[in-house]
Parts: sequence; C-alpha cells; structure tokens
Amino acid sequence: NAGVTQTPKFRILKIGQSMTLQCTQDMNHNYMYWYRQDPGMGLKLIYYSVGAGITDKGEVPNGYNVSRSTTEDFPLRLELAAPSQTSVYFCASSYSLQGKAFFGQGTRLTVV
Amino acid sequence: TQLLEQSPQFLSIQEGENLTVYCNSSSVFSSLQWYRQEPGEGPVLLVTVVTGGEVKKLKRLTFQFGDARKDSSLHITAAQPGDTGLYLCAGPFSGGATNKLIFGTGTLLAVQP
Repeated sequence: NAGVTQTPKFRILKIGQSMTLQCTQDMNHNYMYWYRQDPGMGLKLIYYSVGAGITDKGEVPNGYNVSRSTTEDFPLRLELAAPSQTSVYFCASSYSLQGKAFFGQGTRLTVV
Repeated sequence: TQLLEQSPQFLSIQEGENLTVYCNSSSVFSSLQWYRQEPGEGPVLLVTVVTGGEVKKLKRLTFQFGDARKDSSLHITAAQPGDTGLYLCAGPFSGGATNKLIFGTGTLLAVQP
C-alpha cells in the first residue's frame, strides 16, 4: 500500500499564478482533508471531504478550491497565488472521523 | 481563535526531565487524538482517548482525557532526544454540515542530550 501520496513535494510559484496540488490514497478512505502548516505551528484545515462528490470548507478556505470526483483523489487548487499562501500543505485521509488519520509527505509551497 | 489550544507552544528541556503538554478547548469532544510530527514528515498518530477521565500509557508517555472531555494532557517521563518533535492534539468537530478533524496549535519539544 502506498498510503497517501502527494505531488509535488516542492514548488515555487509567482504571485498570481495558479496550481493544483495532487493527493491520492489507496486505502478506500471516505474522509480526506487538506491542511496547511506554518513553521513550528499546528495544522489549519483548508477543505475536507466525507466522500466522493461531497466537500466542505474548513477553517481557512479562502483562495483555495477542491473537488472529489472519486474516492481516491482529492486535488487542491490554488487560484491567483499570494505570498500568504507560502506554507507546507498536507493531505490526509481516514476511514472514519474518529479513526487514525494518515498523512502524505507534504508539499512545500513558496509564493514569490 | 483556535478551537484546540495547546500549551506550552515551545519547550526545551534536558534529557531525563519530565514534562507535560496541555490541550484545551471550550468545546466538548467525543474523542481526542495525539500526534507527533518530525521535521519534513507528516504527523503520526500516537493515541486516541475516548472516555472522559481515560488514561492511556505508551511506554514513557501518559495521555489523559479530561473528565468533561474538553481537555487532554500528555506527560513524558524521563524525556529522551528521540522524543524531540512537534506534538499535536486533534479532535472531531461539528461546525458545519459535516464533522471534521481539527488540530491544535502544537507544542514544539526539543530534548537536549
């Protein structure tokens, strides 16, 4: 099992550019999450999904968008990148809400 | 305002010392989880506490869930350099149409040899 796979691992964007962070899991998990993490800090929830076709906003959704067309994939779209979006992004999945969350390796994004 | 506040935010101690990390909320949680994150990696689950007042032990780590299920603590006995990392509490929260997993503010622990 690959678990949760995120791509790319690193990316530098210019202000105003757009990109999609990819996330896929092979554990047939219903719940999938996108978090961002600033250095030495906790995780802030951007968007989440409880199943294919269902997504909802988290704590910090502005400037981001998601889709969940399949159980496996949960891409995160950044439109019009801003320096405030410089962060490390983590995708996670879990079988249930109280179950263990499995995390990807993270994507380190810098907006210049 | 973070729903799950952790304290302290940073902790630097010598090997062999004991320490306690706190996770507090004004909301009741059905369960709380503790994760540890090492540099460049994603968080990894240490434990889940479900029942108010529950105590769980994982070697030198002791986790407690508050009686009112609004807080939790992590106590490390005789800390070792291998305990260095970011400790995060997390819990399921219902603030919209569906429930979601939210994380605390984090405690960065450095254990000096």
